[in-house]
Amino acid sequence: DIQLTQSPSSLSASVGDRVTITCRASQTISGFLNWYQQIPGKAPKLLIYGTSTLQIGVPSRFSGSESGTDFTLTISSLQPEDFATYYCQQTYNSPDTFGQGTKLEIK
Amino acid sequence: QVQLVQSGGEVKKPGASVKVSCKASGYSFTKYGINWVRQAPGQGLEWMGWVSSHNGNTDYAQRFQGRVTVTTDTSTRTVYMELRSLTSDDTAIYYCARTNSFAGNNRPWFSDYWGQGTLLIVSS
Repeated sequence: DIQLTQSPSSLSASVGDRVTITCRASQTISGFLNWYQQIPGKAPKLLIYGTSTLQIGVPSRFSGSESGTDFTLTISSLQPEDFATYYCQQTYNSPDTFGQGTKLEIK
Repeated sequence: QVQLVQSGGEVKKPGASVKVSCKASGYSFTKYGINWVRQAPGQGLEWMGWVSSHNGNTDYAQRFQGRVTVTTDTSTRTVYMELRSLTSDDTAIYYCARTNSFAGNNRPWFSDYWGQGTLLIVSS
């Protein structure tokens, strides 16, 4: 199975901060990396697919990039509604796998 | 608008089975597959399996092989996930999610719409 390792596991930040979350794949996934946001008590919400394509309706402060097997989710200026848990996911090979999650908390 | 509406919460005893439904609306049902993903209390997301709404093909995570069955009923636009031989470790929220493929009707894909989740509690 392809392992996805997210870092950090948790992060404290303030409104307006720029935040970066990293997801490292254990082998090549050809850019097929998706990012989800989950607010407590809610279903995950798709933010970005295929490394860098923003899902319709997602604010442009969210962006994604890739360097080899390292993938990055960046939030350019944190807003109050962004405090949540973020997961990366690969679907290149079966089984789909998720990172362990990054919990973004208010400082 | 696209909606996935799941059946209500369940309480089951160890050793029992559960069947969770996911009713789709607002899109061409057979053009997308459905994933099942679960989340144990306070834990991360875990993929269980997928079904093609086009032809019923399935793909299951190895750890659930033989214990899970995902089926689709195109006449009612409903997908079912049955999990057997339940243990307390199966206590979790179970989500269905539409899979939108990058090409064709197979992986790789992304899950663009999710159901509201179904809480399963397994307890004696």
